[in-house]
Amino acid sequence: KAGVTQTPRYLIKTRGQQVTLSCSPISGHRSVSWYQQTPGQGLQFLFEYFSETQRNKGNFPGRFSGRQFSNSRSEMNVSTLELGDSALYLCASSPARGGLIPGELFFGEGSRLTVL
Amino acid sequence: QQQVKQSPQSLIVQKGGISIINCAYENTAFDYFPWYQQFPGKGPALLIAIRPDVSEKKEGRFTISFNKSAKQFSLHIMDSQPGDSATYFCAASKETSGSRLTFGEGTQLTVNP
Repeated sequence: KAGVTQTPRYLIKTRGQQVTLSCSPISGHRSVSWYQQTPGQGLQFLFEYFSETQRNKGNFPGRFSGRQFSNSRSEMNVSTLELGDSALYLCASSPARGGLIPGELFFGEGSRLTVL
Repeated sequence: QQQVKQSPQSLIVQKGGISIINCAYENTAFDYFPWYQQFPGKGPALLIAIRPDVSEKKEGRFTISFNKSAKQFSLHIMDSQPGDSATYFCAASKETSGSRLTFGEGTQLTVNP
């Protein structure tokens, strides 16, 4: 069974631009969540989508948004990029909200965003 | 406010030794405590997890110890191997919060051969 697939794996943007990251969950998984990983702040929850609805949102500004499609694939968008947005953005999927085992998320390898 | 504190930030042990990583949490509503292992260039992967109604859980060389009154839990890696060299994250969640995990800062473990 294929794992969580994230595209692109690497990208470089300049301040003020916007970026869209894509995530394909494990087949059959309906919940997709996004995390930001930085050396200074560690892993921080961005948002969770289930059945095309945002179920939970972390403490990030409105520049960060996402959506989920009917096939459970998800995208996240960051507008008006800032230098501090440079990070590894991780997508995780689970069969249902919280997974069969609460807290069991299956992570992709991430999209590494560099903002210049 | 960081709700899960993890220590140490880095840890070096010899092959065959015991690696111990500690975490403390603040929110008593947390009811699930997983540990994730992350290798360079990879996403985190679930290693082992525990609920607060259990004081200890063991899976192979990995053991979680949980102290509910102290709001602390720890990961013990017995007979540490070079292949265990990775970054380890403790986390906490509430069952009602779905996939929202609060992670500790991470511990970079190096096991020397």
